[in-house]
Amino acid sequence: LAKTTQPISMDSYEGQEVNITCSHNNIATNDYITWYQQFPSQGPRFIIQGYKTKVTNEVASLFIPADRKSSTLSLPRVSLSDTAVYYCLVGDEDSNYQLIWGAGTKLIIKP
Amino acid sequence: SQTIHQWPATLVQPVGSPLSLECTVEGTSNPNLYWYRQAAGRGLQLLFYSVGIGQISSEVPQNLSASRPQDRQFILSSKKLLLSDSGFYLCAWSVGTGQGAWQPQHFGDGTRLSIL
Repeated sequence: LAKTTQPISMDSYEGQEVNITCSHNNIATNDYITWYQQFPSQGPRFIIQGYKTKVTNEVASLFIPADRKSSTLSLPRVSLSDTAVYYCLVGDEDSNYQLIWGAGTKLIIKP
Repeated sequence: SQTIHQWPATLVQPVGSPLSLECTVEGTSNPNLYWYRQAAGRGLQLLFYSVGIGQISSEVPQNLSASRPQDRQFILSSKKLLLSDSGFYLCAWSVGTGQGAWQPQHFGDGTRLSIL
């Protein structure tokens, strides 16, 4: 099972671009990478998912290098409401759904 | 639109009492359903998952059980709660069977369970 490593916390300022990197050195061939956002007392919210190269949607971009041993979530022009915990998750259909969730990255946006 | 309902939002129960948490999904058919537990400041731990009615798989041995009586209904139960059962319980779903399908796409807002 792929294990992920993320920074425990990060600070940034409104209007800045924030990049959160996740390390997953033992990612398997079939593993997908998914990022979630969680606010206090709420369930995680799916942000973006990718397999390789770059994926972009209306809220974020996900950069995955060729070796896929890491991935970077990029949040453009953050606001105070982006203060949350961000989780990187790696897994595939052959792992019996047992995906390992780390403690995530607590992102604090300052005015 | 796709929606997931989970209730109650908060629950305080004495040790040894029974438990029933319910989750229902709207706007999708034949979803994969999940129950997770989250300890304070920690990541999520998968407790149960289900790929269809009556099909339940357990990931963590414990005094909890799950049932799926209908396609879009998932129930978490216990006959006798322990202090260690306290936590934040989350229901989630995903669809499909292809690569990436097993990573939940939607979560409920959770139930904060406190055991006294």
